[in-house]
Amino acid sequence: DTGVSQDPRHKITKRGQNVTFRCDPISEHNRLYWYRQTLGQGPEFLTYFQNEAQLEKSRLLSDRFSAERPKGSFSTLEIQRTEQGDSAMYLCASSLGDPPYEQYFGPGTRLTVT
Amino acid sequence: GEDVEQSLFLSVREGDSSVINCTYTDSSSTYLYWYKQEPGAGLQLLTYIFSNMDMKQDQRLTVLLNKKDKHLSLRIADTQTGDSAIYFCAEINQAGTALIFGKGTTLSVSS
Repeated sequence: DTGVSQDPRHKITKRGQNVTFRCDPISEHNRLYWYRQTLGQGPEFLTYFQNEAQLEKSRLLSDRFSAERPKGSFSTLEIQRTEQGDSAMYLCASSLGDPPYEQYFGPGTRLTVT
Repeated sequence: GEDVEQSLFLSVREGDSSVINCTYTDSSSTYLYWYKQEPGAGLQLLTYIFSNMDMKQDQRLTVLLNKKDKHLSLRIADTQTGDSAIYFCAEINQAGTALIFGKGTTLSVSS
């Protein structure tokens, strides 16, 4: 297994457009997480899945954001009606569900909203 | 609430030791982690420590935990230019799900 992968690596979109990102976790990991990182900040938690169930959502995840993990494998994060404030690096991570809960991150998708 | 604080910059010479410090607020955190991020890349998990431990050593890395003061440090021995990166301290929330990160410490290593 080569680790967590994300696609695309970069996305430039115009304000008001919808975008969708994909994450493929490490195959034996049942937990999958989405984080957002802006310049000069650490990653901030958005949401997490245990298998296909979305069990936790941050208050940062506005109504314009939706995440899915339909078969408990890959996940998608969609942002509708993008705003300039959505410009950030979107990071995906995966882990086993047992301590020490080591989360392994993908390379991220850098979103630029113009 | 949960919060993690780190100093923003550290500059060292190649071959010296680097010590990156972090303070956290959630005393119920069971695990604390150190991640490394190189420019334009994702985060690489370096090491973690269980909250009942005082110290953990892993090759050139030594993690020290002072639970009373809620202080965590990462020591890198024999620092190399390839160690130049941003280092993030993180604690895990009580549910064992979300990581709470500091703003990161930029380590600059000069030869």
